[in-house]
Amino acid sequence: KQEVTQIPAALSVPEGENLVLNCSFTDSAIYNLQWFRQDPGKGLTSLLLIQSSQREQTSGRLNASLDKSSGRSTLYIAASQPGDSATYLCAAYLETSGSRLTFGEGTQLTVNP
Amino acid sequence: DAGVIQSPRHEVTEMGQEVTLRCKPISGHDYLFWYRQTMMRGLELLIYFNNNVPIDDSGMPEDRFSAKMPNASFSTLKIQPSEPRDSAVYFCASSLAAGGAGGYTFGSGTRLTVV
Repeated sequence: KQEVTQIPAALSVPEGENLVLNCSFTDSAIYNLQWFRQDPGKGLTSLLLIQSSQREQTSGRLNASLDKSSGRSTLYIAASQPGDSATYLCAAYLETSGSRLTFGEGTQLTVNP
Repeated sequence: DAGVIQSPRHEVTEMGQEVTLRCKPISGHDYLFWYRQTMMRGLELLIYFNNNVPIDDSGMPEDRFSAKMPNASFSTLKIQPSEPRDSAVYFCASSLAAGGAGGYTFGSGTRLTVV
């Protein structure tokens, strides 16, 4: 069974810091990788989608990279703000699973003012 | 587009009652997914459809759970009879094409509480 893992499980930083969230997957046969944000009691909001032919995607202060050979993706958040506090989930589309997403367990981020 | 629309947002029911959750995917999306989220198990895929046809229901926990997609714009997830352990947030998501092309879009979820 494909496993997607995220490190760390929780992270607390002061406002203004740059930070990196990590995601690893055990199967290099990956189509795409998608990063989501989930606020408490809310649904999942898509942040970035990296196609298998791409190495990174950027949106505002967010940058996500994908290294298929090493089975890793990182989400970089620049100049963090209290409003960034949420749980961040990475999810992989695997060649062996077609359109099914496999989710990591998430990183709970707290940005302190 | 209004996104993926789920109803109701919250549902509280008594054990043994039938519960029906509803989902309207994004128009033009050929794939529809039902997920369940709990603190203990995280996000679990229950079932997904392609062009209204169920493709994989291996995640459906028991025969008490059933899902239908009578047309491209509507799907239901039914639990009958409901049990307290079914309490969770149920999400519906849709995708444009295979392999997650264009990514997934999630609805806001239905928070189910079975007492």
